[in-house]
Amino acid sequence: AQSVTQLGSHVSVSEGALVLLRCNYSSSVPPYLFWYVQYPNQGLQLLLKYTSAATLVKGINGFEAEFKKSETSFHLTKPSAHMSDAAEYFCAVTTGGGNKLTFGTGTQLKVEL
Amino acid sequence: GAVVSQHPSRVICKSGTSVKIECRSLDFQATTMFWYRQFPKQSLMLMATSNEGSKATYEQGVEKDKFLINHASLTLSTLTVTSAHPEDSSFYICSGVGRATDTQYFGPGTRLTVL
Repeated sequence: AQSVTQLGSHVSVSEGALVLLRCNYSSSVPPYLFWYVQYPNQGLQLLLKYTSAATLVKGINGFEAEFKKSETSFHLTKPSAHMSDAAEYFCAVTTGGGNKLTFGTGTQLKVEL
Repeated sequence: GAVVSQHPSRVICKSGTSVKIECRSLDFQATTMFWYRQFPKQSLMLMATSNEGSKATYEQGVEKDKFLINHASLTLSTLTVTSAHPEDSSFYICSGVGRATDTQYFGPGTRLTVL
């Protein structure tokens, strides 16, 4: 069984500030972890993924995430927020290629001037 | 690469009619496709998994006779909502996974409104 918990359904940051979106997972086998972003009325876009290679993963738009097995975490960060980063972010876990993704409940990121 | 399209992007229909949504992988062969439903301000709920040439596997609580899924080729899957009712109104999103990848690539979604 696998599950994902995203702490904070809403996060608000100032433009230029650090973005930190939290994700903790539970999996009985080594997980594959993903972060997706969703803009209003659109599908999901892959930001980055962890698939058992380097624990620090860099993605698009300046985002990165670090896989920490000891903390069962995969938090998403960005050093400096832009207005265009305002969106819904989903963390997801699976146990292998082609397997079902389990999504977290999502975090709405708001970026303020 | 790894682009998935959906058609239509938005559809409005009358109660009792059927609606077909297409999901296409444009630049890869999707051996597995997934269909999700998303309610406003909520996460994605997996409805079913389909493998090319096989019958879809539905999640618990999803009516297979109401949500017909066909995955006839490696680039096309369809979801047909039969005898649609207002409670079927939702945002439907598909995704595809290719042979040589472990990543689901998502379509842009279809907004279904049943009047």
